Amino acid sequence: GQQVMQIPQYQHVQEGEDFTTYCNSSTTLSNIQWYKQRPGGHPVFLIQLVKSGEVKKQKRLTFQFGEAKKNSSLHITATQTTDVGTYFCAGLGGGNYKLTFGKGTLLTVNP
Amino acid sequence: DTEVTQTPKHLVMGMTNKKSLKCEQHMGHRAMYWYKQKAKKPPELMFVYSYEKLSINESVPSRFSPECPNSSLLNLHLHALQPEDSALYLCASAQGWVGAQETQYFGPGTRLLVL
Repeated sequence: GQQVMQIPQYQHVQEGEDFTTYCNSSTTLSNIQWYKQRPGGHPVFLIQLVKSGEVKKQKRLTFQFGEAKKNSSLHITATQTTDVGTYFCAGLGGGNYKLTFGKGTLLTVNP
Repeated sequence: DTEVTQTPKHLVMGMTNKKSLKCEQHMGHRAMYWYKQKAKKPPELMFVYSYEKLSINESVPSRFSPECPNSSLLNLHLHALQPEDSALYLCASAQGWVGAQETQYFGPGTRLLVL
């Protein structure tokens, strides 16, 4: 079945440093979605990428979808303490009915 | 309004109890989902309803029984649960039919503890 690998599992940074999390799928994806879950909270939708090579930005967050539509990344510039949480990627494969979640990257930020 | 609501927020139940979790959305979404999330793990899909019909059951034990009374409501009936069923239960909804490339909007979840 479809698998989505996400690394790293944990990342601790000093406030102001950059952060990147990567996802890699075993199969070509129709789209990939990114979610953020704060400690004690629920997943909150951040963005969806659909097109090969797509790059989208949301303020300090940059999302990329690979040319082969099998990998994706989320990059945060100049992290802030409000960025703390677990970032999940979730891929939807062609003909697949469900999102396959990566295991998530827990980001902690030292002020 | 992009809100999915869930009640209760917290639930403690014994292994012989019967309880229900409720989920509601007023976005006109036609696909609704139940997920189970254990600590430090990603959400795991349990059930999917599409146009008020059960479309997907991810081999979930029969002690979990979903129900979709109408297009806005989704229930999860719980009976004879085990302690290992303790988790965060998330409801989500999406605009289109199952399998469509739609964003899923999650509710805040119900934190369930089975004693």
